[in-house]
Amino acid sequence: DVKVTQSSRYLVKRTGEKVFLECVQDMDHENMFWYRQDPGLGLRLIYFSYDVKMKEKGDIPEGYSVSREKKERFSLILESASTNQTSMYLCASSTGTSGRTYEQYFGPGTRLTVT
Amino acid sequence: AQTVTQSQPEMSVQEAETVTLSCTYDTSESNYYLFWYKQPPSRQMILVIRQEAYKQQNATENRFSVNFQKAAKSFSLKISDSQLGDTAMYFCAFMKHAGGGADGLTFGKGTHLIIQP
Repeated sequence: DVKVTQSSRYLVKRTGEKVFLECVQDMDHENMFWYRQDPGLGLRLIYFSYDVKMKEKGDIPEGYSVSREKKERFSLILESASTNQTSMYLCASSTGTSGRTYEQYFGPGTRLTVT
Repeated sequence: AQTVTQSQPEMSVQEAETVTLSCTYDTSESNYYLFWYKQPPSRQMILVIRQEAYKQQNATENRFSVNFQKAAKSFSLKISDSQLGDTAMYFCAFMKHAGGGADGLTFGKGTHLIIQP
């Protein structure tokens, strides 16, 4: 089974802090994604990566950056956390193998609170 | 840009009943994928069912089936013989076809399904 793990289930940070959210997958997937989930808004794509050191902006990249130095690891960085970044953050991965339906496998999420 | 609309914020049915969750989408793409994801109270998102747009046959997975109407841009989920464990948030999601599957999902806002004993 695919396993996607995230470094923390709950995180509390102060406004202005630099925050790192880590995600690791064990299925040698090419693609990795970061979403944030807010009540009444569903999930929205922040960034994704289709290869090591490659990244693409999603729908709401402002205030975030990402890093992918190794295939299995994808980090989301909040350069200067703000209260409006309080949210649930979900990481996902998917295969890039041609002919597959590219379903995404999700991690358990990190509930980030910025005070 | 794509949009996904789930018009039912919350639904409640009795155990063993059949329930249908609605989803409509808007896109100019001709090649894409549609998914239903389930998020139980423990928060781990799980794939329920998927549909490739080029396939006319509706996907089925045990008690779960979809009614895919491409012309109407509709993708509803039917759950037969509902069980208490089906209680969860259900999200409809769209992904356009991209090389190597490298594109994000566009989600609806979700339907909170409650199965009553």
